[in-house]
Amino acid sequence: ELKVEQNPLFLSMQEGKNYTIYCNYSTTSDRLYWYRQDPGKSLESLFVLLSNGAVKQEGRLMASLDTKARLSTLHITAAVHDLSATYFCAVDGASGSRLTFGEGTQLTVNP
Amino acid sequence: NAGVTQTPKFRVLKTGQSMTLLCAQDMNHEYMYWYRQDPGMGLRLIHYSVGEGTTAKGEVPDGYNVSRLKKQNFLLGLESAAPSQTSVYFCASSYPVGQGFNYGYTFGSGTRLTVV
Repeated sequence: ELKVEQNPLFLSMQEGKNYTIYCNYSTTSDRLYWYRQDPGKSLESLFVLLSNGAVKQEGRLMASLDTKARLSTLHITAAVHDLSATYFCAVDGASGSRLTFGEGTQLTVNP
Repeated sequence: NAGVTQTPKFRVLKTGQSMTLLCAQDMNHEYMYWYRQDPGMGLRLIHYSVGEGTTAKGEVPDGYNVSRLKKQNFLLGLESAAPSQTSVYFCASSYPVGQGFNYGYTFGSGTRLTVV
């Protein structure tokens, strides 16, 4: 059974600081997804990582994937208040037919 | 371009009542999914479908049934609602992995269900 674990689950940081959210998963997969969710809203796709060593960046967020270590990271650079949200990683199973989600990381960026 | 549409957006049920949640997608996606989201637990897969006329159980299927009579629609039914089914329900759709270049899943806006 595929398990996906994120840490930390709660993250409070100051504007301008850097931090990393970690996502570990238990079985082989080459596809990892990062989503953002604002309170009361649906999931917004941030990144799709499709191969070992993949790195994608959008604004202050950068995601990477190490399939050998079964680890993905979401790095936040010089955080701003608008990044406050819950971030989920999710992994396709080996059959590729469904996503398994981590518990989510609730990020609060304080002025 | 509607994407994935869920109806209703909100519903309050009494224990023991039944209801059906409708998910419709207009992207010709082969795969469709129903997830529930509870605080602190991320999204958990209830049921999914890999094509018209097919359904399969996910992680938390008990108390739910589904049907996929048309490719664009995926229905989630609660036959006898229980307070434990109070949750936010999300529908999603996708292409099969490896089909074209359209990786990724499209999510609906969610249905907030309260069972009292």
